[in-house]
Amino acid sequence: EAGVTQFPSHSVIEKGQTVTLRCDPISGHDNLYWYRRVMGKEIKFLLHFVKESKQDESGMPNNRFLAERTGGTYSTLKVQPAELEDSGVYFCASSQGGGSNQPQHFGDGTRLSIL
Amino acid sequence: GNSVTQMEGPVTLSEEAFLTINCTYTATGYPSLFWYVQYPGEGLQLLLKATKADDKGSNKGFEATYRKETTSFHLEKGSVQVSDSAVYFCALRKGQAGTALIFGKGTTLSVSS
Repeated sequence: EAGVTQFPSHSVIEKGQTVTLRCDPISGHDNLYWYRRVMGKEIKFLLHFVKESKQDESGMPNNRFLAERTGGTYSTLKVQPAELEDSGVYFCASSQGGGSNQPQHFGDGTRLSIL
Repeated sequence: GNSVTQMEGPVTLSEEAFLTINCTYTATGYPSLFWYVQYPGEGLQLLLKATKADDKGSNKGFEATYRKETTSFHLEKGSVQVSDSAVYFCALRKGQAGTALIFGKGTTLSVSS
């Protein structure tokens, strides 16, 4: 089966511009997560979808970040306007169930560089 | 709050050496524990997991035992290979308070031949 796919793999934009990241989860996985790793620090949770609904968005840093999952399939994460501190690697993960022992399968990440 | 602490890297070893990467956690209740690995240029891959105390997760020669008494989940391998060079992340996940993974900072392992 195809794994979690993220696009683009790398994005370089200037401060103040807008960028949209996309994640295609594993087919049939209702749970979709976004994480971010900034400057070699911990990978931190951003938000969690169950199908098209936001289950937990407690990790979203501020209102410049908007995540959507229309139709409960792929998800987008938009940053508008981008700031320097938004640079990092954005990971998407999906799982079939939401239980604590359900493994999350990760994509390769999108490396975002803000100049 | 919940947190994961990993030993600082980088860890540099020769091929066939014994590996230990320490991981301790702070959490209420009974979290599930995971080790993820990120090979150069790739995404995170689940390496192994343990869901309750005294469980041992194992995969590809790596092992880790869920020790509730010491709140630890140390990663070990008896004989490392060059191909094991990667960044290793310890993580926990709780059920009742949400399903987000909480990661440690990652430990870079470099194995030379």
